Amino acid sequence: DTAVSQTPKYLVTQMGNDKSIKCEQNLGHDTMYWYKQDSKKFLKIMFSYNNKELIINETVPNRFSPKSPDKAHLNLHINSLELGDSAVYFCASRSGTSGGGALSTDTQYFGPGTRLTVL
Amino acid sequence: AQSVTQLGSHVSVSEGALVLLRCNYSSSVPPYLFWYVQYPNQGLQLLLKYTSAATLVKGINGFEAEFKKSETSFHLTKPSAHMSDAAEYFCAVTGRNQGGKLIFGQGTELSVKP
Repeated sequence: DTAVSQTPKYLVTQMGNDKSIKCEQNLGHDTMYWYKQDSKKFLKIMFSYNNKELIINETVPNRFSPKSPDKAHLNLHINSLELGDSAVYFCASRSGTSGGGALSTDTQYFGPGTRLTVL
Repeated sequence: AQSVTQLGSHVSVSEGALVLLRCNYSSSVPPYLFWYVQYPNQGLQLLLKYTSAATLVKGINGFEAEFKKSETSFHLTKPSAHMSDAAEYFCAVTGRNQGGKLIFGQGTELSVKP
């Protein structure tokens, strides 16, 4: 009964292709995130959505576009993939049920990650 | 602005020995601090967090951390290491009205020798 799930787990593709990574959470959380972990294991936030609304957008290339069809899903679409996009991408969601508001102190629950390799 | 520095990218201890992983933070607002653990090929799992209540925080798996404002530190300790503690550990900071945006340190890999 996975709380935060991501598909696919591994993604190998050629430079220039377009790909998507999907994330779903069944925790009833309002807020979801995408993080990127590079080859040196450094983690950096990319985006955050609260109830389908974009609230955090770090300095990420326009080729990356998050989409939230509903509050349980946050997908990441990447256009024109480059070698430097190779990384592990983690989805996370933050506790705080709808109507109660999410607090900065609430725990973020992470998915298992998607390892993207661009050849 | 906020940042986190973890001293030591790799720490090695013997089984049964004290574990000490260091984390120093910088924050222009009152910080909320977190320690996460990442086992190989897995996502991150919360060990513990400081949310401006008690300065000594106890977490899962016998870990604890102490918030020291004067030293801007939030070091993670465990009295006796187990082989199963071998993993990557991340310290992270956020603050009020940050949208939960976590700023991570560079991580510390913990090895446990038999």
